[in-house]
Amino acid sequence: GAVVSQHPSWVICKSGTSVKIECRSLDFQATTMFWYRQFPKQSLMLMATSNEGSKATYEQGVEKDKFLINHASLTLSTLTVTSAHPEDSSFYICSARTHTGTGASVSGYTFGSGTRLTVV
Amino acid sequence: DAKTTQPPSMDCAEGRAANLPCNHSTISGNEYVYWYRQIHSQGPQYIIHGLKNNETNEMASLIITEDRKSSTLILPHATLRDTAVYYCIVTGYSTLTFGKGTMLLVSP
Repeated sequence: GAVVSQHPSWVICKSGTSVKIECRSLDFQATTMFWYRQFPKQSLMLMATSNEGSKATYEQGVEKDKFLINHASLTLSTLTVTSAHPEDSSFYICSARTHTGTGASVSGYTFGSGTRLTVV
Repeated sequence: DAKTTQPPSMDCAEGRAANLPCNHSTISGNEYVYWYRQIHSQGPQYIIHGLKNNETNEMASLIITEDRKSSTLILPHATLRDTAVYYCIVTGYSTLTFGKGTMLLVSP
């Protein structure tokens, strides 16, 4: 089946530095990818929708200048957390829409394995 | 997207069937019912989805009521590895919005 590869799986960085997270679709083209954030014991919260070749769409309350999203190819989207602070420590997860179609053939969305970011 | 309501937690004995309910009374005609699960510190895993007919795959069965206002995910023979948070999501061709889900604990 469709696989979304996300790297790194965990990262520790110093406050004030930037961190890049990569999300790749391995055996399919993903024109749209999604970035989520999950704090401990909470559900996934959508941060932004990434479209290949165009600007990302950010959810309300998400700072686009802090969370830079680049979707330069049909198989790669990146999320850069700029000037990271301890409150940015979270589990970041990407997802790609894996199939287009109608009826029950719409297969949905495949998720990466997540990136645990710790800012110290 | 329509809102869903799930019990916060459920218990199930290993080897027994796990039946996870979901209410989605405001579902519209073009919205699908998706089920995902998330094992601790991993990305969500797709389980199954459906529009109005019951669906079955190698992981589970999805039973959708005739009025489509509720559904049940059935894991026929739960194992310890099925312990996870299960999310029922209703969506058209857009994003997935996650609620709090149901924490299923499978015990020996």
